[in-house]
Amino acid sequence: EDQVTQSPEALRLQEGESSSLNCSYTVSGLRGLFWYRQDPGKGPEFLFTLYSAGEEKEKERLKATLTKKESFLHITAPKPEDSATYLCAVQVGRAGTALIFGKGTTLSVSS
Amino acid sequence: KAGVTQTPRYLIKTRGQQVTLSCSPISGHRSVSWYQQTPGQGLQFLFEYFSETQRNKGNFPGRFSGRQFSNSRSEMNVSTLELGDSALYLCASSSGATAGSPLHFGNGTRLTVT
Repeated sequence: EDQVTQSPEALRLQEGESSSLNCSYTVSGLRGLFWYRQDPGKGPEFLFTLYSAGEEKEKERLKATLTKKESFLHITAPKPEDSATYLCAVQVGRAGTALIFGKGTTLSVSS
Repeated sequence: KAGVTQTPRYLIKTRGQQVTLSCSPISGHRSVSWYQQTPGQGLQFLFEYFSETQRNKGNFPGRFSGRQFSNSRSEMNVSTLELGDSALYLCASSSGATAGSPLHFGNGTRLTVT
């Protein structure tokens, strides 16, 4: 069965304290791995797509990496506005855009 | 470019009733998907429509159904509502043209069943 697990469930950081979120997956036929950010009361906001092991993508203070079994979202020198729930999702080997989501990591950054 | 629009934002219904939720995708996007989000289960895929045809379906009972119109707008219907159907229902649109096309989500409809 295709499965996505995110850890930790919650993470509290001080402003400027860098850290990483983990997304491990067990799937057959990975077509893409996605990272989203979700703020309270809003829908998920697309951040990155990664397609193959070794790939990396960056956006401001965020950097996503992918291996054959997991993905990491590195947050460098976070600010309070980075506080949100970060969701990882995989698209597996069938036609269409259906995603399997992990349960997310809720990040709180305090000043 | 306007984002994905979902209406209404909030709904309160009684057990046994039915409900219809609406979604307008990003202009030019032909794929519309629906997801259910609850605190316990997280985000779960309901179904996807592409060019008015259901392309994929998740593991939900037949009480959950949807359709897509020729202008790509989509509706989702839930019949015989149960208390467990209380959730945030999210619609997402995508060009759907290639593998890995990102989904762009609306802000959802919050359904409460009493």
